[in-house]
Amino acid sequence: GESVGLHLPTLSVQEGDNSIINCAYSNSASDYFIWYKQESGKGPQFIIDIRSNMDKRQGQRVTVLLNKTVKHLSLQIAATQPGDSAVYFCAEIDDSGGSNYKLTFGKGTLLTVNP
Amino acid sequence: KAGVTQTPRYLIKTRGQQVTLSCSPISGHRSVSWYQQTPGQGLQFLFEYFSETQRNKGNFPGRFSGRQFSNSRSEMNVSTLELGDSALYLCASSFGTGGYGYTFGSGTRLTVV
Repeated sequence: GESVGLHLPTLSVQEGDNSIINCAYSNSASDYFIWYKQESGKGPQFIIDIRSNMDKRQGQRVTVLLNKTVKHLSLQIAATQPGDSAVYFCAEIDDSGGSNYKLTFGKGTLLTVNP
Repeated sequence: KAGVTQTPRYLIKTRGQQVTLSCSPISGHRSVSWYQQTPGQGLQFLFEYFSETQRNKGNFPGRFSGRQFSNSRSEMNVSTLELGDSALYLCASSFGTGGYGYTFGSGTRLTVV
């Protein structure tokens, strides 16, 4: 069925290092993927998205890579800062089924940045 | 512009009671979706409303219901509360449907005792 999961539930990095957060998805029909950041006490916040016809997209300090062959998504954060500490979720949308589509979230990875 | 506003922020209810949560979307957004977030299950989709009509529904029992008003504000109701309903309830608004362009509120933390 539709499910989005994460390889690593927690990730601890040193300030200034690069971070890589991974995500596996099972629905090969998904064609839109989003990474969200959720800080304590707040709702998820959009970071970056990518469509299935792309394999890489860059934003400010963040890059999302999509490998459709192995159904894998990753979020790279360059020069990680203490303010990046949060839970990161990948999410997918499969809109191939008419109006019955929705955003499905993975379980989340907790990123801790050590000063 | 103002973000998505959810009220109340915190709520404590007793098993068997019912509860109503409110969500005011960003001005101009016509779609409101609701999610339940728990440590064990993560973020699970409840339902989506667009122009006062429910467009999509997740796999939750009938005790969970919602509605949307003409000003796009939405409410969700949970009747006959169970301990397992304790969760953070998040709403997200967007211009269109399907999960694109979501902006989330900070959620309502519901504790059932």
